[in-house]
Amino acid sequence: NAGVMQNPRHLVRRRGQEARLRCSPMKGHSHVYWYRQLPEEGLKFMVYLQKENIIDESGMPKERFSAEFPKEGPSILRIQQVVRGDSAAYFCASSPSGSGSDEQYFGPGTRLTVT
Amino acid sequence: DAKTTQPNSMESNEEEPVHLPCNHSTISGTDYIHWYRQLPSQGPEYVIHGLTSNVNNRMASLAIAEDRKSSTLILHRATLRDAAVYYCILRDVGWAYGGSQGNLIFGKGTKLSVKP
Repeated sequence: NAGVMQNPRHLVRRRGQEARLRCSPMKGHSHVYWYRQLPEEGLKFMVYLQKENIIDESGMPKERFSAEFPKEGPSILRIQQVVRGDSAAYFCASSPSGSGSDEQYFGPGTRLTVT
Repeated sequence: DAKTTQPNSMESNEEEPVHLPCNHSTISGTDYIHWYRQLPSQGPEYVIHGLTSNVNNRMASLAIAEDRKSSTLILHRATLRDAAVYYCILRDVGWAYGGSQGNLIFGKGTKLSVKP
């Protein structure tokens, strides 16, 4: 059973470009979470999605960031007009449900560098 | 999710047991205690979780105080590969039924160093 897959693993973008980060959850998991880890800082929750629905986006910056989890295909985290402050590691996690008794399984992350 | 308190760092010798403490004095009756760890340059990894009773799995043991206001993650024989930041996190079991959020709230964790 393959784990959570994220691609690309490393992404370099110039300021003003768009970044698209992909996450394929574990088989059978319909709940996806995105977290961001800025350099030398802790992990911060961004958004929680269930198939075709955004459940909680309280951690998402108000502008330039969006996320989706379509019926078919991976979850996408999209950052428009990237700035240097967006440079970070972005981790995706999945779980079979949103219950507090479930563990979350994390992917290896996408390391975004904005030049 | 209720707040947890952990020491910033701990040291251990290889092949010795490690006891990582976590205080959660404001835990509610529906909060599960979860432990995750993050090895350098990797994504977080689930370690163990429990509600009231002590739990064991292939990675570690979780000892939960009788009043549930504290818990201890036990690594029975530390290896160099166990050097990581360990996070103790509370999650409300009732989220799916209208409780608190489903996401994990990571604090600063405990940075464990293992000496050969």
